[in-house]
Amino acid sequence: KAGVTQTPRYLIKTRGQQVTLSCSPISGHRSVSWYQQTPGQGLQFLFEYFSETQRNKGNFPGRFSGRQFSNSRSEMNVSTLELGDSALYLCASSGRLAEQFFGPGTRLTVL
Amino acid sequence: SQKIEQNSEALNIQEGKTATLTCNYTNYSPAYLQWYRQDPGRGPVFLLLIRENEKEKRKERLKVTFDTTLKQSLFHITASQPADSATYLCALVLRGGATNKLIFGTGTLLAVQP
Repeated sequence: KAGVTQTPRYLIKTRGQQVTLSCSPISGHRSVSWYQQTPGQGLQFLFEYFSETQRNKGNFPGRFSGRQFSNSRSEMNVSTLELGDSALYLCASSGRLAEQFFGPGTRLTVL
Repeated sequence: SQKIEQNSEALNIQEGKTATLTCNYTNYSPAYLQWYRQDPGRGPVFLLLIRENEKEKRKERLKVTFDTTLKQSLFHITASQPADSATYLCALVLRGGATNKLIFGTGTLLAVQP
């Protein structure tokens, strides 16, 4: 089975812009979670989608949003980018016991 | 307050020795605990899972223990190799109704010297 894929792999944006990241889970996996990883805060949970519905949400401002499509692909959007949003954004699809199968990540740099 | 802690300092060991990494938590009651490996610039890779009613789990050179009384998990790599050098993350899986919630530790950097 193909693994989790994420696009793009790298992004450079300026403050105030918005960005959309994309994730395709492992075939047959219906749960997709998004995480933000920074050196200072570690791996922080953003949200989880299952069958096109958000069923879990972390403690991030409303500028961070997501959605899931009927084919389980998911997108994450960050509006009004801030310098502190620079991070590695990881998408993961879940196994039966919540094992997370992570994609390679999108490295976002906000200037 | 709720916390999950891993050794914040890097662990340096000699090739061939056993590496032992620690994951401690407070004020959580996890259903199970997971361990992941992460290489620089890449997403974490799932390694092992241990349930709350299991004391020990093994997979090849890896061994995980889980003590719910001490609120601690130990992750061992026997006969360590330089290729084992990476950051290792533990994650608590908490039951939450229809879905589970994962809380990750900040990770421990392991460096195996040849």
